[in-house]
Amino acid sequence: QSVLTQPPSASGTPGQRVTISCSGSSSNIGSNTVHWYQQLPGTAPKLLIYRNNQRPSGVPDRFSGSKSGTSASLAISGLQSEDEADYYCAAWDDSLNGYVFGTGTKVTVL
Amino acid sequence: EVQLVQSGAEVKKPGESLKISCKGSGYSFTDYWIGWVRQMPGKGLEWMGIIYPGDSKSKYSPAFQGQVTMSADKSVTTAYLQWSSLQASDTAMYYCARLTGTTVWIGSFDIWGQGTMVTVSS
Repeated sequence: QSVLTQPPSASGTPGQRVTISCSGSSSNIGSNTVHWYQQLPGTAPKLLIYRNNQRPSGVPDRFSGSKSGTSASLAISGLQSEDEADYYCAAWDDSLNGYVFGTGTKVTVL
Repeated sequence: EVQLVQSGAEVKKPGESLKISCKGSGYSFTDYWIGWVRQMPGKGLEWMGIIYPGDSKSKYSPAFQGQVTMSADKSVTTAYLQWSSLQASDTAMYYCARLTGTTVWIGSFDIWGQGTMVTVSS
């Protein structure tokens, strides 16, 4: 059972802005950095955002991350059809002494 | 090119043992933790544990401690995940991934293997 909670789904039309939330606690998001992963259908996950708001090389600036207290958010602006995927937040948890993933959010482009 | 290449799909019977592999290339294999992640059919990502190939130090998720064993052979730049007695509930896709960052609590998995599908069925 994941300790990071995400909404199961989110959707938008092309060009819209979609935001995904990730709720944690003081032992994970509250004290460590948050990362986001994108998993396209049938493929391995890909690092999308690291250390709360940093984009790896090659990730479009339409993707942005933020963190406040024990919650974090991923925003996708200018939604495109190729953004249809599952998105996971993740962070180190000091109480578990391990990495935890969020429950995952499926983004659908209408 | 930095990459992790995993071994192929496996079909096993309950009670059998299994060892899958993850070969790193294009970077200093001993300088980065390697993590293992399980994804059961239609489900989310679950962190199983990480291992540091430089000294084989490891950390296991409580959910997987005692259920699997991680190891690494730096001479062949390969990490391994093994089971001594598989169960049907072990049926899943297993990914290895490189953890980047100076310390584990700020690290992220920046390079992923393609995944190894393990099917356990009688």
